[in-house]
Amino acid sequence: AQTVTQSQPEMSVQEAETVTLSCTYDTSENNYYLFWYKQPPSRQMILVIRQEAYKQQNATENRFSVNFQKAAKSFSLKISDSQLGDTAMYFCAFMKQGGSEKLVFGKGTKLTVNP
Amino acid sequence: SQTIHQWPATLVQPVGSPLSLECTVEGTSNPNLYWYRQAAGRGLQLLFYSVGIGQISSEVPQNLSASRPQDRQFILSSKKLLLSDSGFYLCAWSDYRDRGEAGMNTEAFFGQGTRLTVV
Repeated sequence: AQTVTQSQPEMSVQEAETVTLSCTYDTSENNYYLFWYKQPPSRQMILVIRQEAYKQQNATENRFSVNFQKAAKSFSLKISDSQLGDTAMYFCAFMKQGGSEKLVFGKGTKLTVNP
Repeated sequence: SQTIHQWPATLVQPVGSPLSLECTVEGTSNPNLYWYRQAAGRGLQLLFYSVGIGQISSEVPQNLSASRPQDRQFILSSKKLLLSDSGFYLCAWSDYRDRGEAGMNTEAFFGQGTRLTVV
C-alpha cells in the first residue's frame, strides 16, 4: 500500500523568505503522480503543483517549485518570496497512474508566514 | 467546466441518529469519487473511493458506508452516529484526461466540505 509521510507538523517563515516543506512516500509503482495541495483557513482544498513521475524535470508554478527525487522517493515543495496568503495547511498526495486509483494524502504541514 | 457540490455545509446531529451527506459532480463523466474525513488540525483520512457506479472501496472499517447510485453522485451514510464521527468531511473527484499543456493527466477537485458535530 502507498503511504505518504510529512515529517514537519508545523513550520513558520518570515514574509519574503523561502521555505521548503518535506514529503516522502513509499510505493513499488514506477508510474504515478505527486501533488501538493493547500488548505487555507477557509478549508477549501487548492491544487498547488503536480508532478508526473516519468518526468525528470521538476515542476514549477510561479513561486512554487518541487524537488522530485524519484530514487529517494522524496517530493519537497519550495515556496519562494513567501506571502501572508501562503499561510495554510499543505498536504502532499500520491496517486498511481492509471486513471482509476485512490488519492492518498500525508498528514499535512501547517505553514505560518509571519509579517 | 467541472464543478462539485457538497451539502450540507454544517450539520449538528445527536448520537444515534442517521446521517446522509451528498456530493454531486457536473461537467465530467465516470469520475473517481472520494470521501475523506479530517479531524481538527489533522490530515485527510480516505474513507471510501469509487471508480464507477456501485463500485465502492472502503479504506477504514467504521460506522460509515458509502453509495454511488448514479455516475456523478456519491453519498456518505450512517445508520447510527457516534461521537467519534464528528469531523470535517470532504468529497472529491478526479479523472484522467488531456489537460492541454499538462498533457494526459489527473487532478482531484474538492467540495466545500461538511462540518459534522455529533452531540
